[in-house]
Amino acid sequence: DTAVSQTPKYLVTQMGNDKSIKCEQNLGHDTMYWYKQDSKKFLKIMFSYNNKELIINETVPNRFSPKSPDKAHLNLHINSLELGDSAVYFCASSPRSFGGTIYFGEGSWLTVV
Amino acid sequence: GESVGLHLPTLSVQEGDNSIINCAYSNSASDYFIWYKQESGKGPQFIIDIRSNMDKRQGQRVTVLLNKTVKHLSLQIAATQPGDSAVYFCADESETSGSRLTFGEGTQLTVNP
Repeated sequence: DTAVSQTPKYLVTQMGNDKSIKCEQNLGHDTMYWYKQDSKKFLKIMFSYNNKELIINETVPNRFSPKSPDKAHLNLHINSLELGDSAVYFCASSPRSFGGTIYFGEGSWLTVV
Repeated sequence: GESVGLHLPTLSVQEGDNSIINCAYSNSASDYFIWYKQESGKGPQFIIDIRSNMDKRQGQRVTVLLNKTVKHLSLQIAATQPGDSAVYFCADESETSGSRLTFGEGTQLTVNP
């Protein structure tokens, strides 16, 4: 009964490949997010969706494309992977887009070689 | 020069002592603040939050203090236990920026037995 679950947990892939990370939340929340955590543990928001609508798109390369088929799912597709994309990607959700606690998944460790 | 490896602020305490983790934020319009705990290999977990109309909030063994005058937030952990060892993040949010929760750099807390 994991609240925010994301797959895969570990992903090692070659430069230039395309990969996806899937995320699902069973909390009934309206808002979902993707965060990136770099090697220095810095957490930065990438995208935020509220009820399947994109509400935040930080300055992320357009090789990254989020897709929200319904409000319980927010997948992240990455094209033409680069070495600098290696990081931990966290999916998260919250009951509303502001002032609500954000619940994080366990993370997806992406290594590009 | 280029930084290599982690350069998180660190705090080392003895088991049973009280811990105080500090955080400065920059946005004077921020009105919601959260502390998260991230254990190795896991996602950030919510600890406690506080809104800008309060200056103190207590939870189980944790207290958050907010000083809006100097834009400072602190997390106090009473009777620190080895299981408290983790990276602690503060985050702040303002209604003007919507759902954009901005994380601080994190503090590595190590509890020595």
